[in-house]
Amino acid sequence: AQSVTQLGSHVSVSEGALVLLRCNYSSSVPPYLFWYVQYPNQGLQLLLKYTSAATLVKGINGFEAEFKKSETSFHLTKPSAHMSDAAEYFCAVSVWTSYDKVIFGPGTSLSVIP
Amino acid sequence: NAGVTQTPKFQVLKTGQSMTLQCAQDMNHEYMSWYRQDPGMGLRLIHYSVGAGITDQGEVPNGYNVSRSTTEDFPLRLLSAAPSQTSVYFCASKGGENYGYTFGSGTRLTVV
Repeated sequence: AQSVTQLGSHVSVSEGALVLLRCNYSSSVPPYLFWYVQYPNQGLQLLLKYTSAATLVKGINGFEAEFKKSETSFHLTKPSAHMSDAAEYFCAVSVWTSYDKVIFGPGTSLSVIP
Repeated sequence: NAGVTQTPKFQVLKTGQSMTLQCAQDMNHEYMSWYRQDPGMGLRLIHYSVGAGITDQGEVPNGYNVSRSTTEDFPLRLLSAAPSQTSVYFCASKGGENYGYTFGSGTRLTVV
């Protein structure tokens, strides 16, 4: 069965430091992978997606993620954290079963310390 | 361009009451879904639709009904509210398979 795990329910970084949010997936077929961001009291917003073109995917707000098949990982990074990056981040996998099923991870809350 | 619009934003129901959560999108997306978000559990799919007149169950469909009479609208009906249905509900739409979703801003529902 397909699943998504996110290591660390809460991550804190200093402003200007590297952001690294971890995502691992399990899938019996090549997956499509996504990262979403959720700001307080808002819906989720798509940050980036991997659809088997390039393994390094660039998204909005300076974020990028690298698909590593051997490690079944799709970690999200940003070189320099801004205060505005404080939010909840969700990794998701899309696998076709009888429909286009999207499975979300439990989320990682990112805090940015001034 | 409004995107995905959900109403109401907040609702309190008594156990046993019924209500409809509204969802409308103006992007001509074929795919629409309802998710519920609970702390520590991520998002769980309730029902989904791949086009007008076509709906099906997701992971947690019990206690909910949907219909899709038009491309734009995808209402979620709670038949007899229970405290276990206290949650934040999100409607989302996308233009095709393996596209990213566009989410609404959510409905925070409390059942007492």
